[in-house]
Amino acid sequence: KAGVTQTPRYLIKTRGQQVTLSCSPISGHRSVSWYQQTPGQGLQFLFEYFSETQRNKGNFPGRFSGRQFSNSRSEMNVSTLELGDSALYLCASSLVTDGTQYFGPGTRLTVL
Amino acid sequence: GQNIDQPTEMTATEGAIVQINCTYQTSGFNGLFWYQQHAGEAPTFLSYNVLDGLEEKGRFSSFLSRSKGYSYLLLKELQMKDSASYLCAVRGNAGNNRKLIWGLGTSLAVNP
Repeated sequence: KAGVTQTPRYLIKTRGQQVTLSCSPISGHRSVSWYQQTPGQGLQFLFEYFSETQRNKGNFPGRFSGRQFSNSRSEMNVSTLELGDSALYLCASSLVTDGTQYFGPGTRLTVL
Repeated sequence: GQNIDQPTEMTATEGAIVQINCTYQTSGFNGLFWYQQHAGEAPTFLSYNVLDGLEEKGRFSSFLSRSKGYSYLLLKELQMKDSASYLCAVRGNAGNNRKLIWGLGTSLAVNP
């Protein structure tokens, strides 16, 4: 069974731009969570989607948004990029909303 | 507030045993996870504890004491490939607190 996939793997953007990241969960998994990982802050929870509904949300500004499609694929969008948004963005999928999470390889975003 | 504490760094010798501790304070408790993350890679699932006691899985074991808010990951017969960051994560049990709260990780260096 294929694992979680994320595209693109690497992105370089400039301040003020916006970016969309994509995540395809493991087949059959309906829950997708997004995290931001930086060396100083560790894994910070962004949001979780289950059956196209946002179930939980972390403490990030409204510039960070997401959605989930009927096939469980998910996207997250960051608008008006700031230098501090440079990070590894990880997507994790699980069978159910409280299940064990399996991570994708991540998208490395660099904001210049 | 919610908090997960782990040692920042540990060093051990190939073939030895190492114990990585994790203490937590969260809004309720609905399970504790351990993940391994090699540099530049995504976290991979190691173990899950929801009841008190020891869970053994090959060279890795994980222990939980809910009354003490404490867990440890025990790695036996250390190998060089075990050099990685080990992340402890706790799930709360109500509303938005059901999201996973992550520790900053313990960087383990295994020396020959």
